[in-house]
Amino acid sequence: GEQVEQRPPHLSVREGDSAIIICTYTDSATAYFSWYKQEAGAGLQLLMSVLSNVDRKEEQGLTVLLNKKDKRLSLNLTAAHPGDSAVYFCAVSPSSGSWQLIFGSGTQLTVMP
Amino acid sequence: ETAVFQTPNYHVTQVGNEVSFNCKQTLGHDTMYWYKQDSKKLLKIMFSYNNKQLIVNETVPRRFSPQSSDKAHLNLRIKSVEPEDSAVYLCASSLGLGASAETLYFGSGTRLTVL
Repeated sequence: GEQVEQRPPHLSVREGDSAIIICTYTDSATAYFSWYKQEAGAGLQLLMSVLSNVDRKEEQGLTVLLNKKDKRLSLNLTAAHPGDSAVYFCAVSPSSGSWQLIFGSGTQLTVMP
Repeated sequence: ETAVFQTPNYHVTQVGNEVSFNCKQTLGHDTMYWYKQDSKKLLKIMFSYNNKQLIVNETVPRRFSPQSSDKAHLNLRIKSVEPEDSAVYLCASSLGLGASAETLYFGSGTRLTVL
């Protein structure tokens, strides 16, 4: 079955720096990719999602890159600020029509003032 | 306000007790889920319900049972809790049948501590 690895598990950056989180997956038929953010004491909230026909998507200081050849998904937070401090999860769906989202293991991002 | 609501926020109990967690969504979604999040933040799907029908039952211990009265409610009951049940239990919903492009909407979680 699909395996998802996420790294790094912890990431500390200074305010204004970029933060990059990477997930790798194993199933080349994976059709749907998303990133969720979990703030302390809260549930997960969708940040961005892309389908497999999209290589790059940018929204509000966030960039998602999909490299299907290397089976790698990344999230880049440009100019991070303390409010971005949270746990970030990638989530993939193995193939079109599959019900299940498979989550990465999470990255605890800390943005220091 | 439309969202996913979970109660209680926290629950502390002793080994062997029974607990029940409530989840309600006001988003009009057809599918609801229960996830377990351990102390390392790892997420594991436990159950999924589509319009009151169980569509996925992952290999969780039999002491866990989902309960749904209608598509807006999915409660979780744990009979005779064990120490390893200590975790955050997250309820979520999605619009349709949990298809590949679904967005999950999560509640804020119930933190269970088993002494």
